[in-house]
Amino acid sequence: AQSVSQHNHHVILSEAASLELGCNYSYGGTVNLFWYVQYPGQHLQLLLKYFSGDPLVKGIKGFEAEFIKSKFSFNLRKPSVQWSDTAEYFCAAEGGGYQKVTFGTGTKLQVIP
Amino acid sequence: NAGVTQTPKFQVLKTGQSMTLQCAQDMNHNSMYWYRQDPGMGLRLIYYSASEGTTDKGEVPNGYNVSRLNKREFSLRLESAAPSQTSVYFCASSGRGAMNTEAFFGQGTRLTVV
Repeated sequence: AQSVSQHNHHVILSEAASLELGCNYSYGGTVNLFWYVQYPGQHLQLLLKYFSGDPLVKGIKGFEAEFIKSKFSFNLRKPSVQWSDTAEYFCAAEGGGYQKVTFGTGTKLQVIP
Repeated sequence: NAGVTQTPKFQVLKTGQSMTLQCAQDMNHNSMYWYRQDPGMGLRLIYYSASEGTTDKGEVPNGYNVSRLNKREFSLRLESAAPSQTSVYFCASSGRGAMNTEAFFGQGTRLTVV
């Protein structure tokens, strides 16, 4: 069965620090990958997505993610975080013929001013 | 284009009461989902439906039933609410095809069972 793992549960950074959140998925075949963000009190919103092509994907608000097929990974990065990036981040995957989006357990990011 | 609409936004139930959470999407998506979100637990899939007329259990289906009456609507029913079902519930939908599989979420329902 497909699964998505996020190994960092809670990350605390100072403003201007660089961010990298890990995500690994477990199933083979063609896979579509996503990162979602959930700001406090809100619903999940799409940050960026990878379907094919350039494995380095750029999303909104300066976020990017790199798809590394050999490592089954899709890590989220941002060179310099801001206080407003405080949120919970979810990695998700769809593919392998399952036609179902599967989410990781999320990473809470706290950015300290 | 409203996306995914779920109602109600807030609900308080007494233990043993029943209620139905409604969800509708206007994006012609095939797949629809119900999740619950609890502190420290991330998103947990309750049920999902890959197409009209089909439903499958997720990781936490006990105490819930669902109904996919048509392509647009996917409802979640609590037959006899328990305090353990206090949570935030999210409905989501996703399409098919190489470029159409991202999930869109509703605004959430905060349910408290007392």
